[in-house]
Amino acid sequence: GENVEQHPSTLSVQEGDSAVIKCTYSDSASNYFPWYKQELGKGPQLIIDIRSNVGEKKDQRIAVTLNKTAKHFSLHITETQPEDSAVYFCAATQTTGSARQLTFGSGTQLTVLP
Amino acid sequence: NAGVTQTPKFQVLKTGQSMTLQCAQDMNHEYMSWYRQDPGMGLRLIHYSVGAGITDQGEVPNGYNVSRSTTEDFPLRLLSAAPSQTSVYFCASSYGGRGGKTEAFFGQGTRLTVV
Repeated sequence: GENVEQHPSTLSVQEGDSAVIKCTYSDSASNYFPWYKQELGKGPQLIIDIRSNVGEKKDQRIAVTLNKTAKHFSLHITETQPEDSAVYFCAATQTTGSARQLTFGSGTQLTVLP
Repeated sequence: NAGVTQTPKFQVLKTGQSMTLQCAQDMNHEYMSWYRQDPGMGLRLIHYSVGAGITDQGEVPNGYNVSRSTTEDFPLRLLSAAPSQTSVYFCASSYGGRGGKTEAFFGQGTRLTVV
């Protein structure tokens, strides 16, 4: 099955700086890679995703890059704000066939210091 | 639009007790899943369902049962609670990629403590 590793487990940045979280996956059949943000006491919520036919995707201050050859993908947050403080999870899955369940990384606790 | 609704939000059980965590979604999603979240281990899949009447095991299924009699509901049963089942449980639903729709929606979670 799929295995997703995520680094770092904790990340502290100054407000206005950039934050980068990295993930690797093992199953070359995975073709969909979402990122979820989890605020304290809440369920994870999708913030951005990327499919395997795209190398990069951007949405305002958030971007995700994918390197299929190396099987790794990264989340980039620019101009960080205190409200970006949360736990971030990467995940991987296939969108066809029977193995469509998300496999998650272990999470990154991001703290944006004012 | 309620999305994914989980009940209860908090629960304390004694070792050996049984209980059912409820999950309901109103988005007509085919795929529903249960995850447990433990510190440093991310979200681990317990059981999932690809449609009414169809369920399968995930990564950590032992000690849990599920059923899917309707599209909307996917309850998780703890047969005989153990302290190792102390965790936060999340239910999720999605179209599973049908029509290109891949986003999974999560409930607010159930914090379970087994003493």
